[in-house]
Amino acid sequence: DAMVIQNPRYQVTQFGKPVTLSCSQTLNHNVMYWYQQKSSQAPKLLFHYYDKDFNNEADTPDNFQSRRPNTSFCFLDIRSPGLGDAAMYLCATSRDKGTNEKLFFGSGTQLSVL
Amino acid sequence: AQKITQTQPGMFVQEKEAVTLDCTYDTSDPSYGLFWYKQPSSGEMIFLIYQGSYDQQNATEGRYSLNFQKARKSANLVISASQLGDSAMYFCAMREANTNAGKSTFGDGTTLTVKP
Repeated sequence: DAMVIQNPRYQVTQFGKPVTLSCSQTLNHNVMYWYQQKSSQAPKLLFHYYDKDFNNEADTPDNFQSRRPNTSFCFLDIRSPGLGDAAMYLCATSRDKGTNEKLFFGSGTQLSVL
Repeated sequence: AQKITQTQPGMFVQEKEAVTLDCTYDTSDPSYGLFWYKQPSSGEMIFLIYQGSYDQQNATEGRYSLNFQKARKSANLVISASQLGDSAMYFCAMREANTNAGKSTFGDGTTLTVKP
């Protein structure tokens, strides 16, 4: 089945040690999103790509970076994770940018920072 | 002002009964879409139902229906004949054509517990 795949499912890192989360999609969708979700809260958009166009949210910390080397893959790099960065990170895609475009989500990566 | 407001942090429903989850939204954009997503404890968000701002009829998808009241800016989700597997967190979301184009704004969610 076509889908959005996130690896790993669980990631443990040390305070200040860089970490990369990955997302791939077989849907050939134009838009890819990274959301941060803390326990029982609304997902918070960090950034999104429309094709190769990168769009950063104004309140996304500089500590967070993203790469989209091709249509299928997108990476979230956290350069120096702090305890406050422990969260679920959700990757999502949409076919395009329209108001009727639903999001397809991966199963998420739960990040722990020790 | 919050774009999406879900006023019920938690709801309980008896199995086989219907339940309504509330959602109000705030936008000045004439063109927008409203969505409901389900997030079980496993974490993966699943799309349930969509309503366009120009749609005349309320959307339905199986046991899910969306009670769209445009003048009141509300988009409540109705789940009929609740099942134990419906226990999850439910998020209302909106996409606007102009403001925040291409992005989905989420409410804080409602945790639904279905009791046997």
